[in-house]
Amino acid sequence: GAVVSQHPSRVICKSGTSVKIECRSLDFQATTMFWYRQFPKKSLMLMATSNEGSKATYEQGVEKDKFLINHASLTLSTLTVTSAHPEDSSFYICSAIGRLRAYEQYFGPGTRLTVT
Amino acid sequence: GENVEQHPSTLSVQEGDSAVIKCTYSDSASNYFPWYKQELGKRPQLIIDIRSNVGEKKDQRIAVTLNKTAKHFSLHITETQPEDSAVYFCAASGGQAGTALIFGKGTTLSVSS
Repeated sequence: GAVVSQHPSRVICKSGTSVKIECRSLDFQATTMFWYRQFPKKSLMLMATSNEGSKATYEQGVEKDKFLINHASLTLSTLTVTSAHPEDSSFYICSAIGRLRAYEQYFGPGTRLTVT
Repeated sequence: GENVEQHPSTLSVQEGDSAVIKCTYSDSASNYFPWYKQELGKRPQLIIDIRSNVGEKKDQRIAVTLNKTAKHFSLHITETQPEDSAVYFCAASGGQAGTALIFGKGTTLSVSS
């Protein structure tokens, strides 16, 4: 149980285009989902916290107009990178928390974004 | 906000030796401290976690200790094996359930046979 999927696993896009990444909790309802980004050989940096049906809370320094987060249901959150630039190239990972074990986060497999 | 410091950044041990990774945190309200193992290009994998009402927890070759007064916690791996080689992250979250994890910078563990 407690499986989180992400789609796509890898994406290459051209500079100036937008990319949408989906995060799904497959077998539980996610009360909260989180989005992280991870640069090579670096740690996971929290970008935003997303609760179903409400606006995401962004960390300081993360542009909310650039990284659009939608948490439309208890099993789906999406991250859209708008007007992507090469510096947005990174590994994006989502995680989700369910009701039963509200401390433990279940991570998705990550999405490798490359902007050319 | 919370800040988590992790040391060392790299650790090399011989197979069979023990490895210890230490973390400190800044927010006294933090009450959940997980440890993750991450292999290149993959998701972080939870290996052990501890809540603030416990001082130590053990799972086979892995143990975690927590000192809330000093605000530090440590990961202990005994009888290391080459397959333990990976990047290890500590994290902290607190206040209420469902709050975000703040990660340390990671430790690259290399176990040579």
